[in-house]
Amino acid sequence: NAGVTQTPKFQVLKTGQSMTLQCAQDMNHNSMYWYRQDPGMGLRLIYYSASEGTTDKGEVPNGYNVSRLNKREFSLRLESAAPSQTSVYFCASSGVQGAHRLDPLNEKLFFGSGTQLSVL
Amino acid sequence: DAKTTQPPSMDCAEGRAANLPCNHSTISGNEYVYWYRQIHSQGPQYIIHGLKNNETNEMASLIITEDRKSSTLILPHATLRDTAVYYCIVKVRFSGGYNKLIFGAGTRLAVHP
Repeated sequence: NAGVTQTPKFQVLKTGQSMTLQCAQDMNHNSMYWYRQDPGMGLRLIYYSASEGTTDKGEVPNGYNVSRLNKREFSLRLESAAPSQTSVYFCASSGVQGAHRLDPLNEKLFFGSGTQLSVL
Repeated sequence: DAKTTQPPSMDCAEGRAANLPCNHSTISGNEYVYWYRQIHSQGPQYIIHGLKNNETNEMASLIITEDRKSSTLILPHATLRDTAVYYCIVKVRFSGGYNKLIFGAGTRLAVHP
């Protein structure tokens, strides 16, 4: 199993350009997440999708949109990139099949390897 | 909403136990504490979680105080490969009605020879 796969690994954009970060998981997880990590800081939750067909805002959703295309895929879109969006972006998934939603193992997140995004 | 407090950095000698503290004084009775670590620029990796009993797995041990206001992650025999940022985290409720994990700045553990 590949786990969580993110593409691209690196991207450079000019201010105002748009792009979509792709994420796919092959673990049949219900929940998927997008985080960003700025230098020297922890991860901040941008958006999450608790299940296929639903998405919700996290800590820092402004400037981003997401699409839960199907159970496997969760994409993050920057419509008009800004230098403040320069960061490392991580996708994650979680969700134990058949477990109660309050099962703590549902919070065992599996992360992708990240996308380094620079906006000039 | 429960938040956590961790020291920004710690050092540990290789082969010794690394004890990483975390304060979560506002944690509610049914919230779990989770620990993750991030090695260099990789995605974070789950380590362990606990509610009120001490827990142990192949990676680490978790000691939670009786009042649940703090916990300690123990790496019994730290190696150079354990050099990483360690996050102690609990859930925060968001507007969508779901409780999700929020990562703070974590503790940067440096294991030296």
